[in-house]
Amino acid sequence: DGGITQSPKYLFRKEGQNVTLSCEQNLNHDAMYWYRQDPGQGLRLIYYSQIVNDFQKGDIAEGYSVSREKKESFPLTVTSAQKNPTAFYLCASSGPRLGNEQFFGPGTRLTVL
Amino acid sequence: GQSLEQPSEVTAVEGAIVQINCTYQTSGFYGLSWYQQHDGGAPTFLSYNGLDGLEETGRFSSFLSRSDSYGYLLLQELQMKDSASYFCAVRGNSGNTPLVFGKGTRLSVIA
Repeated sequence: DGGITQSPKYLFRKEGQNVTLSCEQNLNHDAMYWYRQDPGQGLRLIYYSQIVNDFQKGDIAEGYSVSREKKESFPLTVTSAQKNPTAFYLCASSGPRLGNEQFFGPGTRLTVL
Repeated sequence: GQSLEQPSEVTAVEGAIVQINCTYQTSGFYGLSWYQQHDGGAPTFLSYNGLDGLEETGRFSSFLSRSDSYGYLLLQELQMKDSASYFCAVRGNSGNTPLVFGKGTRLSVIA
């Protein structure tokens, strides 16, 4: 089955700790994205990557970092510099054609204690 | 940049029809998409309009007017399982630039 996997589903961390969220896709998509969603809010873009070894900041990149060493993988690190990291994090990927939908992973709910 | 406006909440009766509107402002325009998200779940794609007019997929239809920077999602024969949040989204400059999402409309279907 083709799709996007994110792990873990729920993640708890102590304040001040860095944490890395996993995102893997087997859809052969070049583009991958990370979004953050807070309760009752839309999706805000953190980082995106259109090709391996390249990525761009989104609207709320501060306190986050990413890497794109493989086409299939786009991990997100939430650093201690992120002031309010508790949120629902969604990874997505898309193909090259206009109108191609973005496929989303199931999300990781991060709670910082 | 891009910005989208949609109502925050809509309530409708089971079996009825509901329309969720979306107005947008973009520097470029490469189509309007709609996504559905149930509580705790991931957004799933519903429809895409690249050109003006109506696109129909089963009980769901989506409309676009580029001259008015306006679109809507129409849900017919509402079912309880349609209770969810619905997001409109636009791409800015090309097919691989990220979608920019509205804040979503929470639809509650009541009996």
